[in-house]
Amino acid sequence: RKEVEQDPGPFNVPEGATVAFNCTYSNSASQSFFWYRQDCRKEPKLLMSVYSSGNEDGRFTAQLNRASQYISLLIRDSKLSDSATYLCVVNEGNQFYFGTGTSLTVIP
Amino acid sequence: DTEVTQTPKHLVMGMTNKKSLKCEQHMGHRAMYWYKQKAKKPPELMFVYSYEKLSINESVPSRFSPECPNSSLLNLHLHALQPEDSALYLCASSPGGYEQFFGPGTRLTVL
Repeated sequence: RKEVEQDPGPFNVPEGATVAFNCTYSNSASQSFFWYRQDCRKEPKLLMSVYSSGNEDGRFTAQLNRASQYISLLIRDSKLSDSATYLCVVNEGNQFYFGTGTSLTVIP
Repeated sequence: DTEVTQTPKHLVMGMTNKKSLKCEQHMGHRAMYWYKQKAKKPPELMFVYSYEKLSINESVPSRFSPECPNSSLLNLHLHALQPEDSALYLCASSPGGYEQFFGPGTRLTVL
């Protein structure tokens, strides 16, 4: 059983659309949760940390449901520049567990 | 300074060569990591150093040998690699329990 499960997509959406990614994790003792963005042939970059109260950064909203062990990322008003792979990452102590990544392509 | 640097950016080596990858961070992070990433796959953990000591080795073949000379530096020594070891090698650091910061990676090709 994988620590972190994520729908790999691909998601192909038109500019301006709203798109949501989901992720589940298996260990209820997991401590911290993150969404990373990875562009083709580049390193992963932190998009946002995810808090139980939910958090928003511009067009991006992240939610954490500890009871259901579920993390989500909502992107509103998609831009062409949002095209990338989005990685759900869960932290336990020194270990970081990665989902398979969800591929997003925003189409003009 | 929130940067992790890695050298070289690209490396081509034969199966009999010995080479080293280098990683550096000056954020005072106590944990440093080596990952291997193949195309269209997530990063795969290789090694974790915590306070300069190897704390996790994910059953990596001995042809990969990590070294942490000090709290800012992390090396990965390569010897007798196989073509299937060709990948993007990512270094990351973390203050512990918080987010990781990744370097730009070394793209390795083994001929």
